[in-house]
Parts: sequence; C-alpha cells; structure tokens
Amino acid sequence: KNEVEQSPQNLTAQEGEFITINCSYSVGISALHWLQQHPGGGIVSLFMLSSGKKKHGRLIATINIQEKHSSLHITASHPRDSAVYICAVKTSGSRLTFGEGTQLTVNP
Amino acid sequence: EAGVTQSPTHLIKTRGQQATLRCSPISGHTSVYWYQQALGLGLQFLLWYDEGEERNRGNFPPRFSGRQFPNYSSELNVNALELEDSALYLCASSLRGAGVETQYFGPGTRLLVL
Repeated sequence: KNEVEQSPQNLTAQEGEFITINCSYSVGISALHWLQQHPGGGIVSLFMLSSGKKKHGRLIATINIQEKHSSLHITASHPRDSAVYICAVKTSGSRLTFGEGTQLTVNP
Repeated sequence: EAGVTQSPTHLIKTRGQQATLRCSPISGHTSVYWYQQALGLGLQFLLWYDEGEERNRGNFPPRFSGRQFPNYSSELNVNALELEDSALYLCASSLRGAGVETQYFGPGTRLLVL
C-alpha cells in the first residue's frame, strides 16, 4: 500500500464544472504539497499546507491532519486546467513522498 | 527572478554508459533535491543536497550519485545505465532552515536509455 494515495486516477470534466481531487496519506507529515504537472513534465507547486485551507484564484486546498486527508478543488474549471495533479507529503529529512497523480482533462 | 534550470533537456544514452544531469537552483536557495519520474510511476525521491553535503537519499542503488558545488548547483550522475533508468529527472530547490519550506521545481531532463 502506497503511503500517499490519490483519487481519482483519471478525471474528465466539462468546462465550468467544480472539481475535487483527494489525497490520503498514512504517515506522519509536517506539510503537504499540491503540484501541477503539465504535458512535457514541468511541475508547478500550487500549495503547501500544514493545516486548514488555502485559496489561490480558482484553486482551493484543504487539509485535515486528524483524518490524514487533503483535497484540491478547482472552481469553474477551464481546459487550461488540464494537467496531472500530484499530492506530496513532507516527512522526515525534507523528503517528499508523492502520490501517483490525478490526470485531469477539462473539455470545452 | 530566474527559476530552477536543468540541462540538458533531453539525453539519449545506451546501456552501460554514464549520464550526467545538471541543476541550477534559484538564487539564494541552498538545498537541491533530485527526483525520478519513470513512465507510469509517480515521482520518487532520489537525493537531497544542502550546503554541499548529501543530507538524505532515496531507495536507489549506489550507481545514482551526485554532488553539490560551492555555488549550490548540483549534478546527478547515473553510472552503468540500465533501460529502466529511462525517466524524467526533476530537480527542485528550496531555502534551508526557512521554516516551512517550499520546493521549486525545474523543467526536468528526459533521459532515454537504449
């Protein structure tokens, strides 16, 4: 069993839909990252969370430390949001452990 | 401000050869992290360097090694290349001791081993 699990693995949505991607982890963490990886491999760090909720534009990330669960929400989704979204948790020694990613496709 | 840069963008090698990948961190960042993303697999932590020292290492064989230079740039060396080493290699940098760190990723080097 992976230490970090994401769901769903693949997600297809229509433009404008509200999207939720989930991340569950089984280890103690000091922080959780949400990353966006575009075709070609470039990775952008979207959020780093250690508690509560953060919002940036149409993106919202929440974390529940007790339940070891985080969600990434995208409001009013757009085709340019199509990417792989990766959850990563920071454990000991600044090491990041990654989920396998969620492939999001937003159709116009 | 320039981001994390990596070179080369693509690298083609044959089995048994050595590959050298390079990373330049964001100015002021002292920590450099290397990750491997093999096809169909998630990102895997490889190495962490800070202030010129290897601080942590993932579950990779010793033929994966690297170093960090006084200017905080870093090299990843992969010896005796195997087909399964074909992957996207990502470098990230961060401030060290900045409290809650944020890692900034480079664009990656695609290594293909034939």
